[in-house]
Amino acid sequence: GNSVTQMEGPVTLSEEAFLTINCTYTATGYPSLFWYVQYPGEGLQLLLKATKADDKGSNKGFEATYRKETTSFHLEKGSVQVSDSAVYFCARNNAGNMLTFGGGTRLMVKP
Amino acid sequence: EADIYQTPRYLVIGTGKKITLECSQTMGHDKMYWYQQDPGMELHLIHYSYGVNSTEKGDLSSESTVSRIRTEHFPLTLESARPSHTSQYLCASSPPGAANYGYTFGSGTRLTVV
Repeated sequence: GNSVTQMEGPVTLSEEAFLTINCTYTATGYPSLFWYVQYPGEGLQLLLKATKADDKGSNKGFEATYRKETTSFHLEKGSVQVSDSAVYFCARNNAGNMLTFGGGTRLMVKP
Repeated sequence: EADIYQTPRYLVIGTGKKITLECSQTMGHDKMYWYQQDPGMELHLIHYSYGVNSTEKGDLSSESTVSRIRTEHFPLTLESARPSHTSQYLCASSPPGAANYGYTFGSGTRLTVV
């Protein structure tokens, strides 16, 4: 079936460090891909998305490129801030237009 | 301003009580979903709805029930709460083209059953 695999956390970085959170998906069909962010005590918010191969989604300094050849959608940010501390979820859509989520990756940024 | 609302945000309740978690959205979305989120963060789909009078069970078996009498309202009910129901419950909705738009989530209800 369709699945999404994320790197396990927690990821702990110092402020201004470079961030990469890996995400790979099963290569069934041509899914749209999403990154969501969940701040403490909140629901999930859409961070960025890409709907076809080679598309790059970007928002708030975060970027992710839809790589069909490696079935990946890795999240990157050049310089993280303490306020980026949150849980990040990668997701893909399925044939029924429902989303499948990865297990989430907790990011902790220290000042 | 949130377009999908969940109440209450926090609820502490005794074992055996009946509870209803409320979820309402103002976007006119047909599809709505309930997720249970465990402390390890993973999301588990417990119920979803394609529209009025449509309800389906999700991937994770749940003792809760849902109803969809109005497009904007998708409440979740537990007839008899137990400590094992302690969790974070997230409601979400999506338009017909979820492939392009994704889901919109509420802020969640953190339920504690004592």
